[in-house]
Amino acid sequence: DSGVTQTPKHLITATGQRVTLRCSPRSGDLSVYWYQQSLDQGLQFLIQYYNGEERAKGNILERFSAQQFPDLHSELNLSSLELGDSALYFCASNHRDSYNSPLHFGNGTRLTVT
Amino acid sequence: AQSVAQPEDQVNVAEGNPLTVKCTYSVSGNPYLFWYVQYPNRGLQFLLKYITGDNLVKGSYGFEAEFNKSQTSFHLKKPSALVSDSALYFCAVRDIKRAGSYQLTFGKGTKLSVIP
Repeated sequence: DSGVTQTPKHLITATGQRVTLRCSPRSGDLSVYWYQQSLDQGLQFLIQYYNGEERAKGNILERFSAQQFPDLHSELNLSSLELGDSALYFCASNHRDSYNSPLHFGNGTRLTVT
Repeated sequence: AQSVAQPEDQVNVAEGNPLTVKCTYSVSGNPYLFWYVQYPNRGLQFLLKYITGDNLVKGSYGFEAEFNKSQTSFHLKKPSALVSDSALYFCAVRDIKRAGSYQLTFGKGTKLSVIP
C-alpha cells in the first residue's frame, strides 16, 4: 500500500458531463502529481501541485483543471467530457519536489465516458 | 526534453531464467532514472532509481538495473524470474517542466510474462 488514496475507483459518465477525482497524498507529502494512462498515449503527466500551489503543467487540456487544498488533498476536475477522455487517472505524491525523490502512486480512478 | 524508450512491448521468459527489460534514455544533463512496476488494476510501484554512483543499482523484489552511460541505457534485470513478476514495467526519467520543479516522464511500458 503506497499510502496514496484515490476516490472513486470507477466512474462511468456520459459525454458532456463534468466529474471530480479526488486524491489524498501520503501523510506528510507536500507534492501531488496527476497522470493520465491510456492505451494509445501511455502515461502522460498532467499537472503538479506543491503545498497548495501549481508547480508545473504537462499535457493537460483546457477542459481539465486541478487544485490542492490546505489539507494537501487534491482534486482533478474534468469537464465537457469526450469519449477520448476515458482512461485511468493516477495521483502520485512525494514529500518534497526534488530530483531524487520517487513518486508514490495511488491505485487510480478508471473513468469511462459513454 | 527528457525521454526514455522501451523498445520491447512484450518480453516472455521462463520461470527461473534471468530476465532483462530494456530501456534507453535521452537527456540533457545528468540522467536521473527510475523503474516502476504495475500489476493489474493497481498503481505504479517504485522499484529502484539511479541518481549517481555505482552503475549497478539494486532495488525491491530482487530486481537490479545496470546504468550504461556510453550506451545511454538503463536495463532492468533479475537473475531468476518468478511467475509473480509478470506485470507491466515502466522506465522513467526525471524531467523538468519549470525550473525548480521535477516530474517523471515514462516510457510506453513493457509487459513481462513469466511462463511456468
